[in-house]
Amino acid sequence: KAGVTQTPRYLIKTRGQQVTLSCSPISGHRSVSWYQQTPGQGLQFLFEYFSETQRNKGNFPGRFSGRQFSNSRSEMNVSTLELGDSALYLCASSQGVYNEQFFGPGTRLTVL
Amino acid sequence: DQQVKQNSPSLSVQEGRISILNCDYTNSMFDYFLWYKKYPAEGPTFLISISSIKDKNEDGRFTVFLNKSAKHLSLHIVPSQPGDSAVYFCAASGGINTGNQFYFGTGTSLTVIP
Repeated sequence: KAGVTQTPRYLIKTRGQQVTLSCSPISGHRSVSWYQQTPGQGLQFLFEYFSETQRNKGNFPGRFSGRQFSNSRSEMNVSTLELGDSALYLCASSQGVYNEQFFGPGTRLTVL
Repeated sequence: DQQVKQNSPSLSVQEGRISILNCDYTNSMFDYFLWYKKYPAEGPTFLISISSIKDKNEDGRFTVFLNKSAKHLSLHIVPSQPGDSAVYFCAASGGINTGNQFYFGTGTSLTVIP
């Protein structure tokens, strides 16, 4: 089975711009979660989607949004980028909430 | 509020010895725990899990212990190998009782010295 894929792998943007990140889960996985990783902060939960429905959202401002499509692929959007949004954004898929999550390689976003 | 804590940011161990990584949690609703390993520039890789009905789970060189009363879990790696050098994250979930999300610790960077 192919693993979780994320595109693009690297992205450089300037403050005020917006960005869309994409995640393709493992085939058959209906749950997709997004995380932000910054040095010393571990993985901070952004949101989780299951069958196109957002089931939970972490403590991030409304500039962070996402969606999931009928084929379980998911996108994450960040509007009005700030310098502090520079981070590694990770997507993970799983069969359900009591199954291990499989992570993609991440998208490294740099905001200048 | 960090519900899952890894209080040791780093750990160094000699090759062949045991590595013990620790994790504490605060939410008594957590009933499913996982450990991940992460190399630089890669996503975390699932290592091993344990549910709250068990207190130990083994997979090869990796063993996870769960002490529910102390809200503590640990990962033992025996014997440690240089390829084990990575950042290790513990994660916890209580399913729908904790919002269908996994809570991650801040990670422990393990260095295995040849």
